[in-house]
Amino acid sequence: AQKITQTQPGMFVQEKEAVTLDCTYDTSDQSYGLFWYKQPSSGEMIFLIYQGSYDEQNATEGRYSLNFQKARKSANLVISASQLGDSAMYFCAMREGTGRRALTFGSGTRLQVQP
Amino acid sequence: AAGVIQSPRHLIKEKRETATLKCYPIPRHDTVYWYQQGPGQDPQFLISFYEKMQSDKGSIPDRFSAQQFSDYHSELNMSSLELGDSALYFCASSSQDNYGYTFGSGTRLTVV
Repeated sequence: AQKITQTQPGMFVQEKEAVTLDCTYDTSDQSYGLFWYKQPSSGEMIFLIYQGSYDEQNATEGRYSLNFQKARKSANLVISASQLGDSAMYFCAMREGTGRRALTFGSGTRLQVQP
Repeated sequence: AAGVIQSPRHLIKEKRETATLKCYPIPRHDTVYWYQQGPGQDPQFLISFYEKMQSDKGSIPDRFSAQQFSDYHSELNMSSLELGDSALYFCASSSQDNYGYTFGSGTRLTVV
């Protein structure tokens, strides 16, 4: 079974509007971490936001927020006030357990922001 | 702030040749991870090192090997290269007191 599922291969959004990128996960661990990364066409992997499984508040980082619904095992990324520079590939990833575990990535969502 | 440094940025090799990719983690980060991202794919975990010992192994082919040195830099050695090895190879580093993983800019390997 897929551990991280991103069901939206591509999304379009108008500049200045908000957009939600979906991510669901599957784990039997009680402790885990959820991450979102942005990958522009240049290829680098840019960290956006993190949510720990025990965090009760949804994480926010500037224009990025993570809508964490633990019972539904979803960790959607919300980008407010989209900008042209937000056009990129977005990956949801999970670290299961604690400590020095590798990340498992979803298949990604390509976001295109239109003027 | 110092980031994860990978070299080279681009590499072109012929089939059956060998390649060595290098990664210099953020100072005081004790764990290094290697990922392979094929064209249009998500990153796949290859191998990780903690305090110079292999800590976890993913889908790393037997033709690949890696190690972490005393200065914490890591090298990924790839032999008998195949066309399918063409990919973006990322190194990331982390520390115990930092939940985050910092990725390098990647090495784009093209096998011709």
